[in-house]
Amino acid sequence: SAVISQKPSRDICQRGTSLTIQCQVDSQVTMMFWYRQQPGQSLTLIATANQGSEATYESGFVIDKFPISRPNLTFSTLTVSNMSPEDSSIYLCSESTGPGYTFGSGTRLTVV
Amino acid sequence: RKEVEQDPGPFNVPEGATVAFNCTYSNSASQSFFWYRQDCRKEPKLLMSVYSSGNEDGRFTAQLNRASQYISLLIRDSKLSDSATYLCVVNRPGGSYIPTFGRGTSLIVHP
Repeated sequence: SAVISQKPSRDICQRGTSLTIQCQVDSQVTMMFWYRQQPGQSLTLIATANQGSEATYESGFVIDKFPISRPNLTFSTLTVSNMSPEDSSIYLCSESTGPGYTFGSGTRLTVV
Repeated sequence: RKEVEQDPGPFNVPEGATVAFNCTYSNSASQSFFWYRQDCRKEPKLLMSVYSSGNEDGRFTAQLNRASQYISLLIRDSKLSDSATYLCVVNRPGGSYIPTFGRGTSLIVHP
């Protein structure tokens, strides 16, 4: 399965600012996914990102708040915009070449 | 009803015990099922896929019951290192490969 490098691993940000998280995959993958995991909770899918098309967002998530880029088959970014303390969470990317899904190591975001 | 439901636990068992987790799913058309393990402050990692006929990998056995819409994970001879959260994952039907995660079941194995 693929290996994903995700960065930054953690950040502390001021409210009202934006943070862009990057995921680099060591091979070409068709679908990439972005998740949020809040403390003690499971993973919530934010959006699915395919190369060459707009990301597909899940209910409760919008492009203005979480713009996603997928410029090629090995790379994707997620931006958390106009952050508030409620955005404090772990953000993870993953891909699905199989079996199952491989995840980046996560970005632990704290908004103060 | 949530798409994927798990008992959050924690399950607190002694070393050497056998422990089983269940996970129920709501969409009868789901086709792909997995168990993931997540250690504290780490990303989830695939433990095993779940096949219709059931499958075993060492001390771990996974089973699927389509009639009752649940999957199970059995861990035999528990080790201290098995302590983790076990996430049930069910793909949405239709071949989309979009996963839905359960909230996870915490396992604590003590000496």
